[in-house]
Amino acid sequence: QVQLQESGPRLVKPSETLSITCSVSGGSISSHFWSWIRQSPGKGLEWVGYIYSSGSTNHNPSLKSRVTILADTSKNQFSLNLTSVTAADTAIYYCARYFTGTTGGYFDYWGQGALVTVSS
Amino acid sequence: SYELTQPPSVSVSPGQTASITCSGDKLGDKYSCWFQQKPGQSPVLVIYQDNRRPSGIPERFSGSSSGNTATLTISGTQAMDEADYYCQSWDSSTVVFGGGTKLTVL
Repeated sequence: QVQLQESGPRLVKPSETLSITCSVSGGSISSHFWSWIRQSPGKGLEWVGYIYSSGSTNHNPSLKSRVTILADTSKNQFSLNLTSVTAADTAIYYCARYFTGTTGGYFDYWGQGALVTVSS
Repeated sequence: SYELTQPPSVSVSPGQTASITCSGDKLGDKYSCWFQQKPGQSPVLVIYQDNRRPSGIPERFSGSSSGNTATLTISGTQAMDEADYYCQSWDSSTVVFGGGTKLTVL
């Protein structure tokens, strides 16, 4: 059974960088896609981006170039850096495995989520 | 950018059938999936690849997709099915979620 756990600072100041890590157990990040999804308080789900074991990434165009997703296969972890944050980036950040084929995919395993608040 | 549209809310009586729709341009040509999210919990996959049910998901959950619409159907709806439901698909290598539907069982 694959398990994911988010960790990182829960409070970030405006204009600074949000950094959060997902630790994966029960499976290797050297296969499949691994993704970040966020949910602002009381709102819907928003895909942030994903990384494949090869290091290739893709992210939500709405976040422009603020998103960096990295993978550390030695620690079986992947991470999200979101730069120049504002209050609008306050959200629960979920990490999840994205199981995909040639015709799209789905998120089959999710972490419990980490609420990150942007505030001075 | 690609968009998926869901009704904000759907109400159903216990034991009846609930249908939640998800609309997007030529959505039937892509795979769709559905997630259930209860308050304070992470989303749970209930349908993938339009109509496949993950292990552990009750048979009363089913899915279909055609044309521009994907549909999640819950037969014999139970009080425990009250939750937010999200559809998800993809376009041009990006993942897209619908806005979510609050299912009320009353």
